[in-house]
Amino acid sequence: QQQVKQSPQSLIVQKGGISIINCAYENTAFDYFPWYQQFPGKGPALLIAIRPDVSEKKEGRFTISFNKSAKQFSLHIMDSQPGDSATYFCAASKGGGFKTIFGAGTRLFVKA
Amino acid sequence: EAEVAQSPRYKITEKSQAVAFWCDPISGHATLYWYRQILGQGPELLVQFQDESVVDDSQLPKDRFSAERLKGVDSTLKIQPAELGDSAMYLCASSSGQPGHYEQYFGPGTRLTVT
Repeated sequence: QQQVKQSPQSLIVQKGGISIINCAYENTAFDYFPWYQQFPGKGPALLIAIRPDVSEKKEGRFTISFNKSAKQFSLHIMDSQPGDSATYFCAASKGGGFKTIFGAGTRLFVKA
Repeated sequence: EAEVAQSPRYKITEKSQAVAFWCDPISGHATLYWYRQILGQGPELLVQFQDESVVDDSQLPKDRFSAERLKGVDSTLKIQPAELGDSAMYLCASSSGQPGHYEQYFGPGTRLTVT
């Protein structure tokens, strides 16, 4: 019940295309859903996050779509660029300082 | 821009030896986390501090791992003795600990190789 399942494991997208990464969770007590971006040899960096009281959040080219009833959320990267090539992790927590559970990651490669 | 500092960045050690990692969180951040990230996987929480107190160490292998944050600022994670399976990236993160502010900021990590 503590797992966060992420798919796909890897993704290749053409420059200018849309990258979509999906996550599913089981624990309905989770109330904070961040996405992190990690480049090789670096620590993860917070990209965007959403709370379950909204269905969508957009920041620049990055959008989170959230479906509370299905217990799923996804990251959409519009106009994908080669510089977006990285590993992306979804995560979930109960907030308030409780443990954050990370997905297994999606390795994104954007072809120029 | 304030950052989480970690040292060393890389560490190679032989099995059965002791190793220690250091983390300095963003100034003023009350919550500090240590994660282990195995290559190709997501980070897994080892221990979480609120100020100087441990609030979650359920996944910390306490027979060989220890962590401390004596003055509620910087923190040290120790492994003794190291085993081959400990080879991984060890990440430190911090957050403000303020209500409604759950953002975690990660350091660059320490890449540990046990031979």
